[in-house]
Amino acid sequence: GQQLNQSPQSMFIQEGEDVSMNCTSSSIFNTWLWYKQDPGEGPVLLIALYKAGELTSNGRLTAQFGITRKDSFLNISASIPSDVGIYFCARGDTDKLIFGTGTRLQVFP
Amino acid sequence: DTEVTQTPKHLVMGMTNKKSLKCEQHMGHRAMYWYKQKAKKPPELMFVYSYEKLSINESVPSRFSPECPNSSLLNLHLHALQPEDSALYLCASSQVVRQPQHFGDGTRLSIL
Repeated sequence: GQQLNQSPQSMFIQEGEDVSMNCTSSSIFNTWLWYKQDPGEGPVLLIALYKAGELTSNGRLTAQFGITRKDSFLNISASIPSDVGIYFCARGDTDKLIFGTGTRLQVFP
Repeated sequence: DTEVTQTPKHLVMGMTNKKSLKCEQHMGHRAMYWYKQKAKKPPELMFVYSYEKLSINESVPSRFSPECPNSSLLNLHLHALQPEDSALYLCASSQVVRQPQHFGDGTRLSIL
């Protein structure tokens, strides 16, 4: 079945550092979504990407839709403590939302 | 603040109980979803409703029974659940299917 591989699985960084995570697929996508989930809450949509090569920003977050349409990257600049959480990529162009395995981010002051 | 509201936030029930989870959205979305999420795992799709009709059932056991009374409401009726059904149950909605989904904060369900 469909698999989305997300890496790294977890990251431990210092406040102020930049963060980069990625997601790869075995098949071509038309829509990539990035979500963040805080403990005890539901996933929150951060960025939606619809076109190969597209680069979209949301504050300190920047995401890109890979040229091959099989991957996507999420970067966070100048991390702060509230960036802590689990980041999920997801395939968004089917009736079923298919999630990646998640990247757990810890930020230390 | 999420625009998808789920109640209750927490639910503890015995294996013989009958309970219901509720989800409400007032964004005019015509697609609504139920997901199950276990600790440290991504959400897994259970059901999709499109224009108040069930369009996808991911082979969910019959002890879970979804209902969509109108375009704003989605219920999940629970009966004779098992301990392994303990999880976070998330509701989501989107304008129509294949559009970005917006999630509620979930119901944390514990089966004794």
